[in-house]
Amino acid sequence: EDQVTQSPEALRLQEGESSSLNCSYTVSGLRGLFWYRQDPGKGPEFLFTLYSAGEEKEKERLKATLTKKESFLHITAPKPEDSATYLCAVQAANNDMRFGAGTRLTVKP
Amino acid sequence: DTAVSQTPKYLVTQMGNDKSIKCEQNLGHDTMYWYKQDSKKFLKIMFSYNNKELIINETVPNRFSPKSPDKAHLNLHINSLELGDSAVYFCASSRFVASGVETQYFGPGTRLLVL
Repeated sequence: EDQVTQSPEALRLQEGESSSLNCSYTVSGLRGLFWYRQDPGKGPEFLFTLYSAGEEKEKERLKATLTKKESFLHITAPKPEDSATYLCAVQAANNDMRFGAGTRLTVKP
Repeated sequence: DTAVSQTPKYLVTQMGNDKSIKCEQNLGHDTMYWYKQDSKKFLKIMFSYNNKELIINETVPNRFSPKSPDKAHLNLHINSLELGDSAVYFCASSRFVASGVETQYFGPGTRLLVL
């Protein structure tokens, strides 16, 4: 069965302290891996789509990478406004979409 | 100019009632979805729908039914509401692409509380 596991469940960082969030997946034929940001009381906001192993994408302080088994979301010198829950999702070859439980990131000033 | 909008934002109702949640997208997308996010924050897909096909997650009770009056709207009807239906419901939409990889854009959610 397709599975998406995100770790850690929660992460507290000081402003400027870089770190990485992990998304491990098992899926029958990966079509795409997605990263979303979700603020409290709001819907998920699209960040990145990765299609194949070795691919990397960047946006401001965020960089997403992909291997055949996992994806990392690297956060460089985070700011308090980066605090949110980060969700990973995979789309399988049969088009099933499965989300992880998310990593709740808190960045303290 | 919200891309994906939902109404109402909050819905409090009694067990046994029938309710609807509306969703509209102005992105010109072909496919729309309904998700349920439970108290543990897992997002689970309930339905995906385009003008050709309705795909239903087999775990969704048949008390839930999507209805699409046109390509820009997908409403969710829920009959005989139960306590366990309390959750946040998200609508999403995506554009069909030949590669089959569909980036989905989400609405703000409807918080349903069944008493």
